[in-house]
Amino acid sequence: AQTVTQSQPEMSVQEAETVTLSCTYDTSESDYYLFWYKQPPSRQMILVIRQEAYKQQNATENRFSVNFQKAAKSFSLKISDSQLGDAAMYFCAYRSLYNAGNMLTFGGGTRLMVKP
Amino acid sequence: EAGVTQFPSHSVIEKGQTVTLRCDPISGHDNLYWYRRVMGKEIKFLLHFVKESKQDESGMPNNRFLAERTGGTYSTLKVQPAELEDSGVYFCASSQDRERIYNEQFFGPGTRLTVL
Repeated sequence: AQTVTQSQPEMSVQEAETVTLSCTYDTSESDYYLFWYKQPPSRQMILVIRQEAYKQQNATENRFSVNFQKAAKSFSLKISDSQLGDAAMYFCAYRSLYNAGNMLTFGGGTRLMVKP
Repeated sequence: EAGVTQFPSHSVIEKGQTVTLRCDPISGHDNLYWYRRVMGKEIKFLLHFVKESKQDESGMPNNRFLAERTGGTYSTLKVQPAELEDSGVYFCASSQDRERIYNEQFFGPGTRLTVL
């Protein structure tokens, strides 16, 4: 079974600064997806960014980028030019390509606080 | 387009009572998933519907939990009788055709269940 670990329960960043959230995972599979989801307070979880394991190039979405290290099984999220609206719970998630159900395996989450 | 909706947003019940949670997926989404996050831990998969059929219910904790999806539209998750350890946030997600390699799961805002 796959596991996902987020070692930082809480992080804080100054507005306009850069912050990196860590995620490691364990799997014996070679093909899979990795995701970062964001859940603002009292709102639904939304997908921030995804990475296909077969792609060597790190995914980027505007101010959000990942550092995907497949051999190390590491998948960190970098948020550049942090904004107050980035304050949220961030969940790292894994999805197997071999499981027909496509369910997600999540880490424990990192609460990001943004200081004005 | 309406997103995934869940009702109620909060529920407080006493141990031994019954609670029913409802999820309305995005229209046209055949896949429906239930997840829950207990006491600030990882979000864990409960079960997966494809239309009205249970595809995978390996994450259901015990037989006190019963999920249904009437006519392949909305889904209900009933907990009977509720126990203290059932407290947590229950998330619902939906996605389109599972035959695609990648199909994003869209999450509802969750139902926070508190069992006293």
